Amino acid sequence: GENVEQHPSTLSVQEGDSAVIKCTYSDSASNYFPWYKQELGKGPQLIIDIRSNVGEKKDQRIAVTLNKTAKHFSLHITETQPEDSAVYFCAAINSGGYQKVTFGTGTKLQVIP
Amino acid sequence: ETGVTQTPRHLVMGMTNKKSLKCEQHLGHNAMYWYKQSAKKPLELMFVYSLEERVENNSVPSRFSPECPNSSHLFLHLHTLQPEDSALYLCASSQLYTGGGSYNEQFFGPGTRLTVL
Repeated sequence: GENVEQHPSTLSVQEGDSAVIKCTYSDSASNYFPWYKQELGKGPQLIIDIRSNVGEKKDQRIAVTLNKTAKHFSLHITETQPEDSAVYFCAAINSGGYQKVTFGTGTKLQVIP
Repeated sequence: ETGVTQTPRHLVMGMTNKKSLKCEQHLGHNAMYWYKQSAKKPLELMFVYSLEERVENNSVPSRFSPECPNSSHLFLHLHTLQPEDSALYLCASSQLYTGGGSYNEQFFGPGTRLTVL
């Protein structure tokens, strides 16, 4: 089955700096890679995603890159703000047939004002 | 709000108690999920219901018993739990369970924080 590894487990950055979270996956059949943000007391919420036929996707201050050959993908947050503090999860999915979502172990991001 | 609500938000129970977790989605979705979230572990999929039929049961102990009376409601009945069952239990829903080449985004509720004494 699919295995997703996520690093680092914790990340502290100064407000305004950039943050990068990296994930690797094992199943070459995975073709969809969402990122979820989980704030304290809330469930995970989808913030950005990327399909396997795309190398990079941006949405304002967040971007995701995908290297299919190396089987790794990354989340980039620029100009970090205190409200970016949360736990971020990557996931890998094979969207054909019944969908199996394999999540990473999460990265706790702390943005220091 | 995501359109998925869960009650109670916090639950403390003894190992001999019986309790139930409730999830309700207001999105008109046809698939509902139970996940277990433990510290420093990936989210663990427990059960999936599609069109009110259970389609996934990922080797979950029988002390957890799901129920899906209709497409909007999902329950998780708990009995004789162990301390290691303490975790955040998340409910999610999606439009469909089958992918067909596209991803059906899962919308999560806020979770129930369960503590087993």
